[in-house]
Amino acid sequence: QSVLTQPPSVSGAPGQRVTLPCTGSSSNIGAGYDVHWYQQRPGTAPKVLIYGNTKRPSGVPDRFSGSKSGTSASLAITGLQAEDEADYYCQSYDNSLSVSRVFGGGTKLTVL
Amino acid sequence: QVTLRESGPALVKPTQTLTLTCIFSGFSLNTSGMSVGWIRQPPGKALEWLALIDWDDDKYYSTSLETRLTISKDTSKNQVVLTMTNVDPVDTGTYYCARIAPGDYDHFDYWGQGTLVTVSS
Repeated sequence: QSVLTQPPSVSGAPGQRVTLPCTGSSSNIGAGYDVHWYQQRPGTAPKVLIYGNTKRPSGVPDRFSGSKSGTSASLAITGLQAEDEADYYCQSYDNSLSVSRVFGGGTKLTVL
Repeated sequence: QVTLRESGPALVKPTQTLTLTCIFSGFSLNTSGMSVGWIRQPPGKALEWLALIDWDDDKYYSTSLETRLTISKDTSKNQVVLTMTNVDPVDTGTYYCARIAPGDYDHFDYWGQGTLVTVSS
């Protein structure tokens, strides 16, 4: 059971907009800690997509955007493309027991 | 250019100790603010953060695994080592090392390609 909750799967048609939620609690996202998002294609290492809630590393298309409110965060992808089919993980900080990094359970995005 | 590469045994027997090494380049763990961590992923499952070591040798562990984990660094060799004692088949998975981005945002900006570890008798 992951500390951050993500839906197991989300799907969308090419060109559509999808939103991937990440729900936390008062000991992580709700405590003000930043949320980061990673994309993982099959057989490869995760790659940072969004950091600091809303920031995109260079090279990440502006079709990807992040937001955060209260105890939740979300990743939005517009103009969905076949290459976006991957697993997406949110990550934050949790202070409930000790200072630690935590990941969500991941969402499998399927492009129909 | 920042790179990280994990190495270790592909197969470990239950109850044994697993030792993984992360060799990195393009940065130094002697530099203020630098950190390297370990993350694992069981087959078909989610990422799980394991441990982190800071440039000043502060160490942090996953609460659920801290009694079994030890993280250390050798800055002269640009290496970070993770040991896990008393392994079990549930510890099977791909183990990644990754760098925490220096600066204000606590995310993993560079990852190794991962090393697959199978725990089986």
